[in-house]
Amino acid sequence: DAKTTQPNSMESNEEEPVHLPCNHSTISGTDYIHWYRQLPSQGPEYVIHGLTSNVNNRMASLAIAEDRKSSTLILHRATLRDAAVYYCILRDGVSNYQLIWGAGTKLIIKP
Amino acid sequence: NAGVMQNPRHLVRRRGQEARLRCSPMKGHSHVYWYRQLPEEGLKFMVYLQKENIIDESGMPKERFSAEFPKEGPSILRIQQVVRGDSAAYFCASSPRLADPYEQYFGPGTRLTVT
Repeated sequence: DAKTTQPNSMESNEEEPVHLPCNHSTISGTDYIHWYRQLPSQGPEYVIHGLTSNVNNRMASLAIAEDRKSSTLILHRATLRDAAVYYCILRDGVSNYQLIWGAGTKLIIKP
Repeated sequence: NAGVMQNPRHLVRRRGQEARLRCSPMKGHSHVYWYRQLPEEGLKFMVYLQKENIIDESGMPKERFSAEFPKEGPSILRIQQVVRGDSAAYFCASSPRLADPYEQYFGPGTRLTVT
C-alpha cells in the first residue's frame, strides 16, 4: 500500500487559515486521497476526499498537486473545535476498501 | 438518521474474561469494518464484514478474536480470554457499498481496559 507522510503536529491561531500538508510520492493512478480527523476521545470523522482535481466542501478544501505526489488540506478559518488529529489516507478505489492509517498531524489551535 | 452506534462505550474486563463489542451500522449500510487504536497511534484495520459474511479478516489476530455480522442485529467483535495487550479503543465503521471511494462512517468507539 502506498504510504503517506505528515508532520507530527502543527499550530495555528484561531480564525486563521490552516494548511495541512501530506506527501504520498508512491501514489498510484487509482488511489483516492482521503482526509479524516479525530477529535479527542471520539471516532474519526470524514473530512474530504479527491482523486485528481481540487475539491471543496463545507468543511474544507483539498488541493492536490499536479503530479499527485502531495496534497494539502485547507481549513479556511480554523476554530477551537477544529483541534484534532488529521489523517491523510490513500485508498485504492478499484480493489481496496481498507483505510491504512498513519499517525496523522495533531492540529493545535491557539485562541 | 442515526449514525453508527457502538456499545458499550467503556468496558472493563479482568484478564481471562471475554469482551463482546457491538456495532450497529448506519441505516442502509451493509458493510462493516472494525479497527483497533492504541494510544497515540492511528487506527489498524482488523476485519471487514457484510451481512452473514466475513470478507477480509487479515488484520485480526489468529487466536481469541472473532467477528460476526448476522442477518439480524448488530455486528459483534468478540475477544476471548482477554490479556492486558488487548486494552485499546475499538472502532467500527460502516459504508453503503464495497470499494466505494466515499467515506466510511465511524462510531464513537468502545474503550476496552483489561485489568
